[in-house]
Amino acid sequence: RKEVEQDPGPFNVPEGATVAFNCTYSNSASQSFFWYRQDCRKEPKLLMSVYSSGNEDGRFTAQLNRASQYISLLIRDSKLSDSATYLCVVNRVGNQFYFGTGTSLTVIP
Amino acid sequence: GAVVSQHPSRVICKSGTSVKIECRSLDFQATTMFWYRQFPKQSLMLMATSNEGSKATYEQGVEKDKFLINHASLTLSTLTVTSAHPEDSSFYICSAVAGTAKNIQYFGAGTRLSVL
Repeated sequence: RKEVEQDPGPFNVPEGATVAFNCTYSNSASQSFFWYRQDCRKEPKLLMSVYSSGNEDGRFTAQLNRASQYISLLIRDSKLSDSATYLCVVNRVGNQFYFGTGTSLTVIP
Repeated sequence: GAVVSQHPSRVICKSGTSVKIECRSLDFQATTMFWYRQFPKQSLMLMATSNEGSKATYEQGVEKDKFLINHASLTLSTLTVTSAHPEDSSFYICSAVAGTAKNIQYFGAGTRLSVL
């Protein structure tokens, strides 16, 4: 079983829509969780860390469910500029990072 | 956020050439840096973990003699692709962890290598 699994999509949504991505992780010892955004032919950029209490940054909301071992990312009021690949990243003890394969999002005018 | 500089951003070279890629953490000390490779429409693949002052840890299937990693200081790691071949053409990305407390990786802008 993979350490981190994501639905690769693609997700094609109209502007203004709300879209949610889920990511599951296999190791209950995982400690830190992140969502990164990667544009085509660019490096990943940190979108947000994910905390147990859930956290929100503008139109983006991240949630962590430790019991079910998944994290989620909700994007409200989608913009064309949100089109990208969203990577789920899980960190275990020390410098062990595990990446999901990414979920592709295209926001359509 | 923390800044990681990667250079060069683009390399085109002939087969058999060695190519050196630098990764620098500009405003923090990075005891650990990571090197990834990404082929088109695929996910990031970890190649090796680079620790300052010690040998890099390579992932299974990555040839350490082919991909030489040096992490001589807390702000610089280099990846040398030795005797590059067309199949080595890829997008190489480095990252650095900005302190163990947050465990956040910051990525360099990547190096696009094309071997002719």
